[in-house]
Amino acid sequence: AQKVTQAQTEISVVEKEDVTLDCVYETRDTTYYLFWYKQPPSGELVFLIRRNSFDEQNEISGRYSWNFQKSTSSFNFTITASQVVDSAVYFCALSQGGSEKLVFGKGTKLTVNP
Amino acid sequence: DAGITQSPRHKVTETGTPVTLRCHQTENHRYMYWYRQDPGHGLRLIHYSYGVKDTDKGEVSDGYSVSRSKTEDFLLTLESATSSQTSVYFCAISPRGAPTDTQYFGPGTRLTVL
Repeated sequence: AQKVTQAQTEISVVEKEDVTLDCVYETRDTTYYLFWYKQPPSGELVFLIRRNSFDEQNEISGRYSWNFQKSTSSFNFTITASQVVDSAVYFCALSQGGSEKLVFGKGTKLTVNP
Repeated sequence: DAGITQSPRHKVTETGTPVTLRCHQTENHRYMYWYRQDPGHGLRLIHYSYGVKDTDKGEVSDGYSVSRSKTEDFLLTLESATSSQTSVYFCAISPRGAPTDTQYFGPGTRLTVL
């Protein structure tokens, strides 16, 4: 069975703080892909990153970084020096062979206060 | 941004009426998906298509039907809308499907069934 857990329902930080959003996944497959999407208040879903199960290298893109650890089945997302524009709901998702569906976590609502 | 449009963007309808939502893409991608987003549930797959006239069910397909007569268009029909189908509906597209490819989402359609 596939499952994605985002235990943090809501997080509130002050601008310039670093914040980490947690994502824990469950799958029996050895080949799978993990994703992060951002949903700002305007409502659209914006793709942020895709990572396959064979690549455990951490990734950095500007203020965003992702830490993939197969040993703990986690794919955490860190925003460094957060900004008000980072306020959004962030979704972690899992995709594996044999199924067309993306399995989404329930999302973490991040509020960055000025 | 992926060339995906959804129409209408907002709709209010009454219980028992038929409703059709349209997803249109300009990317010529093979795979198209319909998801619904509800508070506390993340996104859940309703139906998907892997080519013209080729469709399959997702995890919450009851009460919904789909059609794809052209590569660029994927229609979602609620034959007889119920209040439980009040939701935000997202269309997504993908070149080659899960698990390898990223799904890119449209802007969403907010449907209210009274």
